[in-house]
Amino acid sequence: EAGVAQSPRYKIIEKRQSVAFWCNPISGHATLYWYQQILGQGPKLLIQFQNNGVVDDSQLPKDRFSAERLKGVDSTLKIQPAKLEDSAVYLCASDAGTEAFFGQGTRLTVV
Amino acid sequence: SQQGEEDPQALSIQEGENATMNCSYKTSINNLQWYRQNSGRGLVHLILIRSNEREKHSGRLRVTLDTSKKSSSLLITASRAADTASYFCATEGYGGSQGNLIFGKGTKLSVKP
Repeated sequence: EAGVAQSPRYKIIEKRQSVAFWCNPISGHATLYWYQQILGQGPKLLIQFQNNGVVDDSQLPKDRFSAERLKGVDSTLKIQPAKLEDSAVYLCASDAGTEAFFGQGTRLTVV
Repeated sequence: SQQGEEDPQALSIQEGENATMNCSYKTSINNLQWYRQNSGRGLVHLILIRSNEREKHSGRLRVTLDTSKKSSSLLITASRAADTASYFCATEGYGGSQGNLIFGKGTKLSVKP
């Protein structure tokens, strides 16, 4: 089966600019997650969707980060405006009640 | 906040040797999972052990869980150069989903041929 698709793979932006990441989960997976992985650390959950509803966004910095999952399939994560400390790999994952499957991630560099 | 703490942070061994990584966590869990991450790539699920299990095997992997000590270990036997990667433990709390996880900082394993 096709895996979790993410784009772009890499993105370099200047601070205060905005950026968006896209994720296409595995077909049929109702639950979708966005994680942030700062270099040298483990991933940290930002937001969890169940279909198109938010289940957990307790660690999402809502003043600058937003995410949506219209129609319960694809999802986008946006940062506006970006800060230097947002430099990280943004991972998308999906599951159907068993194990979670992760995408390759988008590496964001904020300069 | 990160729940799991892996130990050691880095491990370098020769091909054929065994590699043991440890993980400690802070709160009660539903299950604990181990993931592998190759450089520049996504996370791959290795094994899940439930809170009522003490040991689990999968191929060359052996995972133990001690809920009284809030710790787990991952043993990779007969290591190969292809096992070179970072390994993360991740915990799922009660009432959570399989992918709603708290990850540790990881152990970087280097297997020399």
